[in-house]
Amino acid sequence: EVQLVESGGGLVQPGRSLRLSCAASGFTFDDYAMHWVRQAPGKGLEWVSGISWNSGSIGYADSVKGRFTISRDNAKNSLYLQMNSLRAEDTALYYCAKDIRAVAGIGGGYDYWGQGTLVTVSS
Amino acid sequence: QSVLTQPPSVSAAPGQKVTISCSGSSSNIGNNYVSWYQQLPGTAPKLLIYDNNKRPSGIPDRFSGSKSGTSATLGITGLQTGDEADYYCGTWDSSLSAGRGVFGGGTKLTVL
Repeated sequence: EVQLVESGGGLVQPGRSLRLSCAASGFTFDDYAMHWVRQAPGKGLEWVSGISWNSGSIGYADSVKGRFTISRDNAKNSLYLQMNSLRAEDTALYYCAKDIRAVAGIGGGYDYWGQGTLVTVSS
Repeated sequence: QSVLTQPPSVSAAPGQKVTISCSGSSSNIGNNYVSWYQQLPGTAPKLLIYDNNKRPSGIPDRFSGSKSGTSATLGITGLQTGDEADYYCGTWDSSLSAGRGVFGGGTKLTVL
């Protein structure tokens, strides 16, 4: 059974940092691209960042470029999101999602999602 | 403002059919695959359609997807009260050098 379990969320002050983790199991982690998708309270889905199977291709939404860094450790079956210079508008439920392919870039879809970890940015 | 445009809401009676549209451009839907997601209240999104028109294992054939040019459509037949949810389309946008994932703003389906 595929499982994606996010952790690392919490309440943080504006300008501070937070690191999210996603532990994957039930599939061959290094065969697939992975993504972070967020959802602000009462709002729609927003793609945040994606990383190919071998970390060779990485992309970010304009809203987080230069502040967030995605990474993965295939030996640990884990995905990460380092979030720096956090803003109030980064407040959201952050989902880890598995791509149906090894490399993102042609669409396709995200076939498994975690339950999300809540990040609240507030003073 | 979402890159992909969906109607905010649609409604239909149980047993009827409904379609949800998703409009984009040549840099996204026009040249990439489209996927569709169902999000029930308080839960994570669930993949309904991938690669424009393919259903993952376990998704009933009441759900269908199609794409034409820069638009895509999700169809749901034999509506059930359990289908009440938010539906999102998604794809990749290649207008920037690195590319990015994009979603529609979501459509709330009400089964009257």
